[in-house]
Amino acid sequence: GENVEQHPSTLSVQEGDSAVIKCTYSDSASNYFPWYKQELGKGPQLIIDIRSNVGEKKDQRIAVTLNKTAKHFSLHITETQPEDSAVYFCAAKPAGDKFYFGSGTKLNVKP
Amino acid sequence: DAGVIQSPRHEVTEMGQEVTLRCKPISGHDYLFWYRQTMMRGLELLIYFNNNVPIDDSGMPEDRFSAKMPNASFSTLKIQPSEPRDSAVYFCASTLDRAYGYTFGSGTRLTVV
Repeated sequence: GENVEQHPSTLSVQEGDSAVIKCTYSDSASNYFPWYKQELGKGPQLIIDIRSNVGEKKDQRIAVTLNKTAKHFSLHITETQPEDSAVYFCAAKPAGDKFYFGSGTKLNVKP
Repeated sequence: DAGVIQSPRHEVTEMGQEVTLRCKPISGHDYLFWYRQTMMRGLELLIYFNNNVPIDDSGMPEDRFSAKMPNASFSTLKIQPSEPRDSAVYFCASTLDRAYGYTFGSGTRLTVV
């Protein structure tokens, strides 16, 4: 089955700096890659996604890049703010109904 | 839309007791998923339904766990008897189409003492 690895497990940045979280996947059939943000005491919330026919997607301060050849995808957050502090999860979906989640990255943005 | 609604938000129970967690998916969503989240194991898929039919329950840890979806707007996850190692946050999620990401509920934090 699919295996998704996520790095780093924790990330601390200064407000205004950029943050990058990286994920790799194993199944070349995976074709959809969402990212979730989980704030304390809440469920994961979908923040951005990318499909395998696209190399990059942006939404204001966040962007996701995908390298199908290398089987890795990354989340980029620019101009970080304290409210970006949360746990971020990547996921991959091969053929079928199920998503496979990374282990999460705890992002701390220091004011 | 109120999103995916889970109840209760918190549950504390004694070992051996029956626990029932409830979920109301977003109206019109055909897929419903139950996840368990712990620090050690992250997000684990327990079971999912499509059009109220259980499709894959391979993630259900033991026979003590059971899930039902009697109609399109309601699902339950039951643990009987509960054990301390079942303590976790349980999430329900739904989606309109398997080609899209999920919408998660706020979760039920279960503590078994």
